[in-house]
Amino acid sequence: SAVISQKPSRDICQRGTSLTIQCQVDSQVTMMFWYRQQPGQSLTLIATANQGSEATYESGFVIDKFPISRPNLTFSTLTVSNMSPEDSSIYLCSVASPETQYFGPGTRLLVL
Amino acid sequence: EDKVVQSPLSLVVHEGDTVTLNCSYEVTNFRSLLWYKQEKKAPTFLFMLTSSGIEKKSGRLSSILDKKELFSILNITATQTGDSAIYLCAVGSGSEKLVFGKGTKLTVNP
Repeated sequence: SAVISQKPSRDICQRGTSLTIQCQVDSQVTMMFWYRQQPGQSLTLIATANQGSEATYESGFVIDKFPISRPNLTFSTLTVSNMSPEDSSIYLCSVASPETQYFGPGTRLLVL
Repeated sequence: EDKVVQSPLSLVVHEGDTVTLNCSYEVTNFRSLLWYKQEKKAPTFLFMLTSSGIEKKSGRLSSILDKKELFSILNITATQTGDSAIYLCAVGSGSEKLVFGKGTKLTVNP
């Protein structure tokens, strides 16, 4: 199984600012995924990050708001830009294996 | 549009009860169905199902998939307070990405 770490684990931010979330995996993986879980809701896929190419965003999510970097096969970042209170969520990165998809511990973000 | 529907949305039981959680789906190009347990932030993997009629079992938890009727169930027998969590059903279609249901919030009271 993959071991995934995320930083920060939580943060409180002011509206209009940006936050970058880091995701580190203990093995090389082709695809990494970024999900958002708003309060009381299920997980929604934001984008798929492949190493060496631009991320693929799901409907409703755009690169200007959620820029993603994938500099190598073990690391990715997600930036939440120009934040508003509606961005308060848990942000999770995940990686796929033949057996399942493993999730990082998540970043709990509160925007005031 | 791919869709995953879980029921019930919430459930309150007493320790020792048996519960059945439901997950139905409509997806193009079905690949797999996964069950996760979410207690705080990160979902923890429980089962992955790809074939109809084959039960997967882990301790008091078991799950089965019906690809003809497009649903899966997750059973928990002899529930304990530690089983209290949100149980998420997700379906993989086509690529590696997953579509999640809204989850079932299970509360097990002593």
